[in-house]
Amino acid sequence: AQTVTQSQPEMSVQEAETVTLSCTYDTSESDYYLFWYKQPPSRQMILVIRQEAYKQQNATENRFSVNFQKAAKSFSLKISDSQLGDAAMYFCAYTGGGADGLTFGKGTHLIIQP
Amino acid sequence: DSGVTQTPKHLITATGQRVTLRCSPRSGDLSVYWYQQSLDQGLQFLIQYYNGEERAKGNILERFSAQQFPDLHSELNLSSLELGDSALYFCASSLGLATEAFFGQGTRLTVV
Repeated sequence: AQTVTQSQPEMSVQEAETVTLSCTYDTSESDYYLFWYKQPPSRQMILVIRQEAYKQQNATENRFSVNFQKAAKSFSLKISDSQLGDAAMYFCAYTGGGADGLTFGKGTHLIIQP
Repeated sequence: DSGVTQTPKHLITATGQRVTLRCSPRSGDLSVYWYQQSLDQGLQFLIQYYNGEERAKGNILERFSAQQFPDLHSELNLSSLELGDSALYFCASSLGLATEAFFGQGTRLTVV
């Protein structure tokens, strides 16, 4: 079974600084997709970024970028110029090529210090 | 707004009862997923439907069932409820099988 591990239960960063959230996963599949979702206090799950495993280029979305290391099965999220609105739980998620639902990590609580 | 609508937003019910949670996917999305988020289990995939057919099952209890109707809305039925079923239940939808899923705002179920 696929597993997703987020080893940082909580991270804190000063506003305007850069922070990196870690995620590792375990799979025997070669075709899969990885995601980062944000869950603010409203509890809404918001898609932040998506990465296809077959793509070597790391995905970026404005201030959010990933460092995808396929051989190491690592998928970290970098948030640049952190803003107060970035404060939330961040979940790393995996789905296989058959897209049978997302497997989530336990999440990282990101705190932004003003 | 993700375009995925879940009703009701909150539900309080007694142990042993049965409830139905409803989900309307984004316009055009064929795939619907149900997830459970609880403090002890985290976010867990329950079940997926694609264009009316069951596509995949995750950690869904036998007391739980779901269906997707011809208009693509979906319902999750939870029966013989226990205190431990208290959780936030999310519906998500996607256009296809391997495209990103967009989540509804969830239904907060409290079993007393």
